[in-house]
Amino acid sequence: DAEITQSPRHKITETGRQVTLACHQTWNHNNMFWYRQDLGHGLRLIHYSYGVHDTNKGEVSDGYSVSRSNTEDLPLTLESAASSQTSVYFCASSENTLANNEQFFGPGTRLTVL
Amino acid sequence: KNQVEQSPQSLIILEGKNCTLQCNYTVSPFSNLRWYKQDTGRGPVSLTIMTFSENTKSNGRYTATLDADTKQSSLHITASQLSDSASYICVVSAPTGNQFYFGTGTSLTVIP
Repeated sequence: DAEITQSPRHKITETGRQVTLACHQTWNHNNMFWYRQDLGHGLRLIHYSYGVHDTNKGEVSDGYSVSRSNTEDLPLTLESAASSQTSVYFCASSENTLANNEQFFGPGTRLTVL
Repeated sequence: KNQVEQSPQSLIILEGKNCTLQCNYTVSPFSNLRWYKQDTGRGPVSLTIMTFSENTKSNGRYTATLDADTKQSSLHITASQLSDSASYICVVSAPTGNQFYFGTGTSLTVIP
């Protein structure tokens, strides 16, 4: 069965370190998204991609970057981790750009920045 | 400003009872509204999708309603089960590309 996976599931790092969170989907979806989820804020969009070599900034993109070298993967990099980036990160994918297409979410990565 | 507000923030009910969760939005233009269920430690999973022309849609014990005129939606859960304990998130999308607006969710706890 097709799926979307994230790794690691839990990560503890120190302030200033570079961290990369992996996202891999086997749906062959063009669209991929990264969100962070914090208490009181719901899911907030960090970056998204509509296809290979396409990346776009979301509402909370500062301090994060992504690259899309193939259809299946959209790694999220924290250039220099900050305590404010402690959060749960979710990757999602969807089939195309139509707004009525369902987003399929990964299981999440809990990141703690000390 | 496009916003999605959900109420209540949290809810505790007895197993077997019914409950209704509310979602009010100001997103315009509007394409569709989804309700997602998020179990603890998991990613959200879609329960229902409704376009502006639909009033009611059911998925088992879950029934979503939509009033596009008043920009309100509700999710009714019938005969609740312990497995219904989760966060329920309302997501409204605009007709263009990546415009998804998320509510902060209602945390539902079903107790025996």
